[in-house]
Amino acid sequence: GNSVTQMEGPVTLSEEAFLTINCTYTATGYPSLFWYVQYPGEGLQLLLKATKADDKGSNKGFEATYRKETTSFHLEKGSVQVSDSAVYFCALTSNAGKSTFGDGTTLTVKP
Amino acid sequence: DTGVSQDPRHKITKRGQNVTFRCDPISEHNRLYWYRQTLGQGPEFLTYFQNEAQLEKSRLLSDRFSAERPKGSFSTLEIQHTEQGDSAMYLCASSPPPSGRNYNEQFFGPGTRLTVL
Repeated sequence: GNSVTQMEGPVTLSEEAFLTINCTYTATGYPSLFWYVQYPGEGLQLLLKATKADDKGSNKGFEATYRKETTSFHLEKGSVQVSDSAVYFCALTSNAGKSTFGDGTTLTVKP
Repeated sequence: DTGVSQDPRHKITKRGQNVTFRCDPISEHNRLYWYRQTLGQGPEFLTYFQNEAQLEKSRLLSDRFSAERPKGSFSTLEIQHTEQGDSAMYLCASSPPPSGRNYNEQFFGPGTRLTVL
């Protein structure tokens, strides 16, 4: 079956530091890949997505590139802010539509 | 577009009681999903509807769980004889039809947090 493995957290960074959260996946077919963010007490919000190999998703300074050869979709941001503190989930969606999620990575950004 | 809504947002119940949650998807979305999220974990797939048809159920969905989408619009998830292990956040998501824009994207509701005492 499909699976998603995320870099274990928690991750603590100082403001303006560079962020990388690793994500690798196993899947049959050609899944779409997503990063979601969850702020305390809130639901999942889509952060960015990529639907085919070599696509780059980007939003709010975050980026991730769909790498089929390494089955990866690492999340990066050049300069994090305190407001980026949240839990980040990597996910893939199969052609059937259901999503498979990683276990999440908690990011804390200190001023 | 009011987004996916779920009701109630929080539910506290005693072990052995039955509970029912409701999800209202985005109106033009024909696909609807239920997930369960426990603390420190990512959401886990429970079941999936296309219109009113329940097309897939996870092994996580024991006989005590039942989901319906009677008219292809809102959906309900019922848990009978709740156990403490059922305590979790129950998330609903919807997707547009394959011909629609963003067809492979899921739009999540805020979730219903269930606590079983």
